[in-house]
Amino acid sequence: KAGVTQTPRYLIKTRGQQVTLSCSPISGHRSVSWYQQTPGQGLQFLFEYFSETQRNKGNFPGRFSGRQFSNSRSEMNVSTLELGDSALYLCASSSLQGTNTEAFFGQGTRLTVV
Amino acid sequence: QKEVEQDPGPLSVPEGAIVSLNCTYSNSAFQYFMWYRQYSRKGPELLMYTYSSGNKEDGRFTAQVDKSSKYISLFIRDSQPSDSATYLCAANRDDKIIFGKGTRLHILP
Repeated sequence: KAGVTQTPRYLIKTRGQQVTLSCSPISGHRSVSWYQQTPGQGLQFLFEYFSETQRNKGNFPGRFSGRQFSNSRSEMNVSTLELGDSALYLCASSSLQGTNTEAFFGQGTRLTVV
Repeated sequence: QKEVEQDPGPLSVPEGAIVSLNCTYSNSAFQYFMWYRQYSRKGPELLMYTYSSGNKEDGRFTAQVDKSSKYISLFIRDSQPSDSATYLCAANRDDKIIFGKGTRLHILP
């Protein structure tokens, strides 16, 4: 069974640009959650999508958005990039909405904003 | 105060030793408690989860939750160099997972 796939693995962007990250969950999983990981703040929850609907949201500005497609693949978009957005962005898939006690993580996308 | 606090380490122990990793939390609403392991350049992988207070054992790993003191522990017996990684404790509330910042563990051969 293939794991969670995130693309691209690495990205370098300039301040002010926007970026789109992609996540393909484990086959059959309908929940996709996104997290930002930085050395200073650790892993922070961005949002969760289940059956194409955003079910939960963390405390991030509106520049961070996402969506989920009918095949459960999810994209995350960050607009007007800031230096502080440099981080490892992780997505996790789960077969259940919300409880996420058995969430499976991808390898992440390392975003560097210069 | 962060909801889940964890000493970032690094923690270095000799191979074969018992490792004790600990977290504290502040929110009594937490119900599920989890430990993830993250190797360098990889995403976190779930090691164990427990519901409410008590112990749970899986091979060389034992997770312990004490809700009265809001304390979460992970014990690793007979530690191996392959256990070298960052260990993240986490708790679930309102259908979100709240993570500690992680403890870097080095097992010295």
